[in-house]
Amino acid sequence: QQQVKQSPQSLIVQKGGIPIINCAYENTAFDYFPWYQQFPGKGPALLIAIRPDVSEKKEGRFTISFNKSAKQFSLHIMDSQPGDSATYFCAASITGNQFYFGTGTSLTVIP
Amino acid sequence: GAGVSQSPRYKVAKRGQDVALRCDPISGHVSLFWYQQALGQGPEFLTYFQNEAQLDKSGLPSDRFFAERPEGSVSTLKIQRTQQEDSAVYLCASSAHPTNKLFFGSGTQLSVL
Repeated sequence: QQQVKQSPQSLIVQKGGIPIINCAYENTAFDYFPWYQQFPGKGPALLIAIRPDVSEKKEGRFTISFNKSAKQFSLHIMDSQPGDSATYFCAASITGNQFYFGTGTSLTVIP
Repeated sequence: GAGVSQSPRYKVAKRGQDVALRCDPISGHVSLFWYQQALGQGPEFLTYFQNEAQLDKSGLPSDRFFAERPEGSVSTLKIQRTQQEDSAVYLCASSAHPTNKLFFGSGTQLSVL
C-alpha cells in the first residue's frame, strides 16, 4: 500500500516555467513532509520541508503548499532552470520514525 | 565526515553469493536508515537504527537481509544468498536525532546476475 501518492510521473517545462508536483497522503499522524531532489547516480538531497501547522513555506525558488484538510501538498519551482532537471520525491514521516517516499517525478526543463 | 559515505559504489554478485554493503554516516548522527531503491522508483524503507539499537526492521524483505551497527557509527547491510530481485540501489541515510533532516549517501548499486 502506497502511503504517499505522487503525480505526475514526468513533467517537461520550458525554462522560466513553474512546474508543480503533487502528493497526497492518508495517515493523519504524519507530521513532517519533505521534498527531495535526486540527480542520476546520487542519493536524494533535501530541498525543503514543511510541518502541518503551516500552509506554505518558501525557500529561494522552491515553495511547498500544504492543504491539511485535503491531505495534499505540492512543490512549486519558480523560474525553473535547466539545472533543475532531476527526479523529485515527496515524503512523509512521523517524527522519529521511517520516511515514506512517493514514486518520484522526473522533471525536464528545456532551455 | 563531510557526508554519508557508502561502499562499494557498485557491486556485481552471482546469484547465491553473499554481499556486504557499508555505510559511514555523518559523524555524530544518531539515527541511521537503510533504503532500497528500484529503478525508477522511490526509496523503500528497510531498517532503522538509533545508535547501536535496531529500532525497526519491518522493511527487510526476507531473513536473507541483515543489518548491524555494533558501535553506533558504521553500519553494514548484509544480504545472504543473493537473488536477481535483490538488484537495486541501496541507500543509507543518517540524521541527528531528534531532527528529521535526512542526509543520504550516493548508494551502492547492486546487480545480481
